[in-house]
Amino acid sequence: LAKTTQPISMDSYEGQEVNITCSHNNIATNDYITWYQQFPSQGPRFIIQGYKTKVTNEVASLFIPADRKSSTLSLPRVSLSDTAVYYCLVGDENSNSGYALNFGKGTSLLVTP
Amino acid sequence: NAGVTQTPKFQVLKTGQSMTLQCAQDMNHNSMYWYRQDPGMGLRLIYYSASEGTTDKGEVPNGYNVSRLNKREFSLRLESAAPSQTSVYFCASSEGGGADTQYFGPGTRLTVL
Repeated sequence: LAKTTQPISMDSYEGQEVNITCSHNNIATNDYITWYQQFPSQGPRFIIQGYKTKVTNEVASLFIPADRKSSTLSLPRVSLSDTAVYYCLVGDENSNSGYALNFGKGTSLLVTP
Repeated sequence: NAGVTQTPKFQVLKTGQSMTLQCAQDMNHNSMYWYRQDPGMGLRLIYYSASEGTTDKGEVPNGYNVSRLNKREFSLRLESAAPSQTSVYFCASSEGGGADTQYFGPGTRLTVL
C-alpha cells in the first residue's frame, strides 16, 4: 500500500497559481495518482488522475516526473471558492481492494483576497 | 441521476443504542465504501464491498457491521453506539476498485452522547 505525504496546509491569494506536491516514494508500477477536493460538510470529489507526465483538464493540471515518486497538482489562478482540502491518493488500477486508497489528512488550502 | 444518497443526514444517539445508516447509488457501480471523518482528520475506511455479495474490512471496522443488500445499496450498522463513534460518515461508490474514481454521498453527521 503506497503511502503519500503532502503538506498539511497552504495559503494563497486570489489569482495566484497554487502547486501542491505529494510524495509517494513506494508507488508501484500499476498505481495511478488521483487527486480529490473536499469542501466543508461535503464528501470529496474527483479532480484529476494521471499515470505519468502531464494531465490537464478544465480544473487543474497534474505533473508527474519520470520516476513517479512525486506528483504536483497545479491550480491556475485560484479563487476564494478553491478553499478546500486536497487529497492525493495512489491506487492500483487492477486492484479489487478499496483499501488500496488511503485518503490521509490532505492539504488544507486557504485562499484569501 | 441522484448519484449517491445517504440517510439520515443527522442523527443523535445515546450510548448503547443501535442504528443503521443507509446508502444507495444509481450509477450501477460494483464497489461501495463506508468512511468516517473526524474533525481535522482525513477519511478512514471502515468497510468496503468490491461487488454484490462481498464485504471486507477497512482500516477501522471495530464496532460496525455492513450489509451489501443488492448492487445499489450498502448499509452500515452500529450495534451499540459509543461516544468514540461520533463522526461524519460518508458512503462512496466506484465502478471498480483501486484507482477508479469514487463518488461520494453528502454524509451523515452522527453524535453519540
